[in-house]
Amino acid sequence: ETGVTQTPRHLVMGMTNKKSLKCEQHLGHNAMYWYKQSAKKPLELMFVYNFKEQTENNSVPSRFSPECPNSSHLFLHLHTLQPEDSALYLCASSQDSEGVNYEQYFGPGTRLTVT
Amino acid sequence: GQNIDQPTEMTATEGAIVQINCTYQTSGFNGLFWYQQHAGEAPTFLSYNVLDGLEEKGRFSSFLSRSKGYSYLLLKELQMKDSASYLCAVRLLTDSWGKLQFGAGTQVVVTP
Repeated sequence: ETGVTQTPRHLVMGMTNKKSLKCEQHLGHNAMYWYKQSAKKPLELMFVYNFKEQTENNSVPSRFSPECPNSSHLFLHLHTLQPEDSALYLCASSQDSEGVNYEQYFGPGTRLTVT
Repeated sequence: GQNIDQPTEMTATEGAIVQINCTYQTSGFNGLFWYQQHAGEAPTFLSYNVLDGLEEKGRFSSFLSRSKGYSYLLLKELQMKDSASYLCAVRLLTDSWGKLQFGAGTQVVVTP
């Protein structure tokens, strides 16, 4: 148990569907992240939220839309995805103070398949 | 651009030692992390180096040379459960935030 949960664990969606991924952290952290993990590729940072403010958008297509209503919850809204978006989507959190960035704790991921 | 390199796969026998190298060319370096990821599971934190030298934590040790842009993770007394992917990640400094840049991971296979 890492203290970071993600739902659903598996998702199959068509290219015209709209779905959302949910992440919740129970660690009292103030920063949350979305990553994409494709086979044989490095983890790709997508979005960073610090104190609920988005501080990083790593050139992610607009068909991915993040939402962070509070420091414990993070969503990734998906619409009109492409087959190449099929991947493992990982959420992470960390406790960061001014000038210091600590290790990130990852959730188990959502395995997304776009058909 | 940023570049982080590590071998794709390594195989070793139970009880042996394996060293996973990671080299990086990045700007604004401010620390290096190692994570372990079992198939189908979340990455879990193993170690962090920001100063040159060796950090030891049980069977696992991590080394950093900032001048050479080089790190390694040393796994001793290998066990079957150590079969996993090992991810090297470099912390970058941005204007307001530090973020992690990951390598593609090294798959370690431990054989009996």
